[in-house]
Amino acid sequence: EAGVTQFPSHSVIEKGQTVTLRCDPISGHDNLYWYRRVMGKEIKFLLHFVKESKQDESGMPNNRFLAERTGGTYSTLKVQPAELEDSGVYFCASSHRSSPSGNTIYFGEGSWLTVV
Amino acid sequence: SQQGEEDPQALSIQEGENATMNCSYKTSINNLQWYRQNSGRGLVHLILIRSNEREKHSGRLRVTLDTSKKSSSLLITASRAADTASYFCASRDYGQNFVFGPGTRLSVLP
Repeated sequence: EAGVTQFPSHSVIEKGQTVTLRCDPISGHDNLYWYRRVMGKEIKFLLHFVKESKQDESGMPNNRFLAERTGGTYSTLKVQPAELEDSGVYFCASSHRSSPSGNTIYFGEGSWLTVV
Repeated sequence: SQQGEEDPQALSIQEGENATMNCSYKTSINNLQWYRQNSGRGLVHLILIRSNEREKHSGRLRVTLDTSKKSSSLLITASRAADTASYFCASRDYGQNFVFGPGTRLSVLP
């Protein structure tokens, strides 16, 4: 069974440009999460999808970030326009539908973003 | 202090020694999970301990949970150079919240 996959694995963009990160969760997982770790700090929650619906987006830092999950399968996280402080690693994770607070969530390898 | 805070933040030991990392959290939890991140790689799930459990083992890993003190510890026995990584605890409440601490950077010297 394939794990959570993320693309691109690494991206270097200039300040002001746009970047779109993609996440493919484990097949059959309705819960999809985005987290990020900025500048070696703690890993912070961004948002949570249940299927195609945003269950909790309280961690989204500002309106430069837009996450979508059309059709309830893969998800994209767009940063537009990117700022220097957005540099870091963006993790996607997924878990099974039943008892989301009790199940293990599985993380992807992360998308490493550098804004210069 | 932040929820899911690890202690120490950095730890260096010799190969073969045991490594102990501690984690504290603030709110009531459903479970607590430990993850490892090797440099430049993703998060790898190590072990999950539920709020009604006090100790759990997985290979060379031993996790304890003290809900009265809102703390957990991860013990790695007989450490190897390959255990060098950052270790994170993540507390999961009864909602959807899953909070990571800043992590402990473990260096195992050969």
